Amino acid sequence: GAGVSQSPRYKVAKRGQDVALRCDPISGHVSLFWYQQALGQGPEFLTYFQNEAQLDKSGLPSDRFFAERPEGSVSTLKIQRTQQEDSAVYLCASSLPRQETQYFGPGTRLLVL
Amino acid sequence: GQNIDQPTEMTATEGAIVQINCTYQTSGFNGLFWYQQHAGEAPTFLSYNVLDGLEEKGRFSSFLSRSKGYSYLLLKELQMKDSASYLCAVNSWSYKLIFGSGTRLLVRP
Repeated sequence: GAGVSQSPRYKVAKRGQDVALRCDPISGHVSLFWYQQALGQGPEFLTYFQNEAQLDKSGLPSDRFFAERPEGSVSTLKIQRTQQEDSAVYLCASSLPRQETQYFGPGTRLLVL
Repeated sequence: GQNIDQPTEMTATEGAIVQINCTYQTSGFNGLFWYQQHAGEAPTFLSYNVLDGLEEKGRFSSFLSRSKGYSYLLLKELQMKDSASYLCAVNSWSYKLIFGSGTRLLVRP
């Protein structure tokens, strides 16, 4: 079956530009997560949705980062006024309700110049 | 604080056995995961331990000791395709995964 998909796979942005990263979770997965993975590091939690409700955004690094999931399926992570330190791979994961295992998408590799 | 430690790199020979250790100190614990990640690809689920003991799944096994804050991933009959990063992650507060920095495993012929 289809896994988690993300687009674009690669994004090059100029410093100060706004970007939007998309995540399509596995069908039926109500839980959705965003992680940020720096080169050579493990993923770090950014935010968590259950259906359309954003239940935890404690990992978002600044108010330039914003995530939404208006209809409880597709989610968008938006980064405003990108900075060089935002360069990373942004991973999306989803899981079934009451299931602990999170399934990851391939990520969007963001490079801010 | 939250801390998960695993070796940065390991090297092993094709056909051999390798054990990747992970120690953790977290404020919450609801299970421990191991993921495999090839360069430029998604982390893929390998194992989940919530109770103490050994879980075996084909060539891969994972062990957990909650009292010691310790886990290991055991890979048997190593194949070249096993060259990847292996991520240890603790599930805290029922949903949030806290990851270690990953262990890069290089399998040599």
